[in-house]
Amino acid sequence: EVQLVESGGGLVQPGRSLKLSCAASGFTFSNYYMAWVRQAPKKGLEWVATISTSGSRTYYPDSVKGRFTISRDNAKSSLYLQMNSLKSEDTATYYCARRGTGPFFDYWGQGVMVTVSS
Amino acid sequence: EIVLTQSPTTMAASPGEKVTLTCRASSSVSYMHWYQQRSGASPKLWIYETSKLASGVPNRFSGSGSGTSYSLTINSMETEDAATYYCQQGSSYPLTFGSGTKLEIK
Repeated sequence: EVQLVESGGGLVQPGRSLKLSCAASGFTFSNYYMAWVRQAPKKGLEWVATISTSGSRTYYPDSVKGRFTISRDNAKSSLYLQMNSLKSEDTATYYCARRGTGPFFDYWGQGVMVTVSS
Repeated sequence: EIVLTQSPTTMAASPGEKVTLTCRASSSVSYMHWYQQRSGASPKLWIYETSKLASGVPNRFSGSGSGTSYSLTINSMETEDAATYYCQQGSSYPLTFGSGTKLEIK
């Protein structure tokens, strides 16, 4: 059974940093692109980052480019999101997601809440 | 950036009713993918590559479309189908989602 379990969320002040983790199990992690998708309270879904199988390629929308860094450790079946210079508009539930056989997300974690507030 | 516009924003359907949700793209995309999100839960892949049902999705659901116009259809609405449905395009970065259609049971 595919499982994605996020951790590392919490309350953080604007301008500070936070690192999210996602522990994957139930599939060969190194064979799949992985991603982060977020959802602000009562809002829709927003793609945040994608990383290739080896980690050599990463992709971001302009809203987080230069502030967020996605990475992975295939030996540990783990995905990470380093978030720097956090803003109030980064407040959201962050989901770890597995990219399927195409550019869609076939499995999602339960999500972790990040609140950016002073 | 490809903007996805979903309609309606909210709708209510009676059990047994046929339901059609629409997603329009600002530029042509190769495929559309759909997710179901029930209240308080994580999104689930529902339909991928326009018309393929994800594992476990009832066959009363179907997807269709091409170019800039796509739809998700429920042949006969059931109580468990009440949720928010999001479309998503993967044809170009940034990957984008529609703003969702909230489907309620009448």
